[in-house]
Amino acid sequence: KAGVTQTPRYLIKTRGQQVTLSCSPISGHRSVSWYQQTPGQGLQFLFEYFSETQRNKGNFPGRFSGRQFSNSRSEMNVSTLELGDSALYLCASSLARGHGTEAFFGQGTRLTVV
Amino acid sequence: GESVGLHLPTLSVQEGDNSIINCAYSNSASDYFIWYKQESGKGPQFIIDIRSNMDKRQGQRVTVLLNKTVKHLSLQIAATQPGDSAVYFCAENNGQNFVFGPGTRLSVLP
Repeated sequence: KAGVTQTPRYLIKTRGQQVTLSCSPISGHRSVSWYQQTPGQGLQFLFEYFSETQRNKGNFPGRFSGRQFSNSRSEMNVSTLELGDSALYLCASSLARGHGTEAFFGQGTRLTVV
Repeated sequence: GESVGLHLPTLSVQEGDNSIINCAYSNSASDYFIWYKQESGKGPQFIIDIRSNMDKRQGQRVTVLLNKTVKHLSLQIAATQPGDSAVYFCAENNGQNFVFGPGTRLSVLP
């Protein structure tokens, strides 16, 4: 079956703009989590969506937001982009929430803010 | 979250040797752990997992060891191959989300 699909793969934006990234989870998976990966900070948890509701949120400013649709596809949005938002944004899907649930990652979207 | 600056710990091993990658986790309540492999330009790829009611689990050429007393996880790769070159992350599930370690870069020497 198809894996986790993230679009676009690469994106270049200017400071102050906003951006929307998309993630299609593995078919049947209902939990989608987003992570930011940078060389300096490693993999940092952004938020998790399950059944169209945000269930958990990491320590990021309100400029970072997301949503999940009824088909489990998820989008994340970053408004008023800053140079420091340049990163690889990864989406992971899981069958369910909670302990013992394996997370599968997409290839990521490489965002560059100039 | 954790941060290690710009330089990842690096482990260099000779092709054919065994590799051991270590990870310290932070939350004693975490009860599920995963090792991921990330190659350049790709997302993290699942390698092996272990639950806290186990202290060892074996897969194909890989073994994960869990020491809950000292909150330590290790990944052993047998007969390391050039294709094993990547960054390896441990992740702990604290019941809310996965928290990732800083990663270790494995470099396989010919």
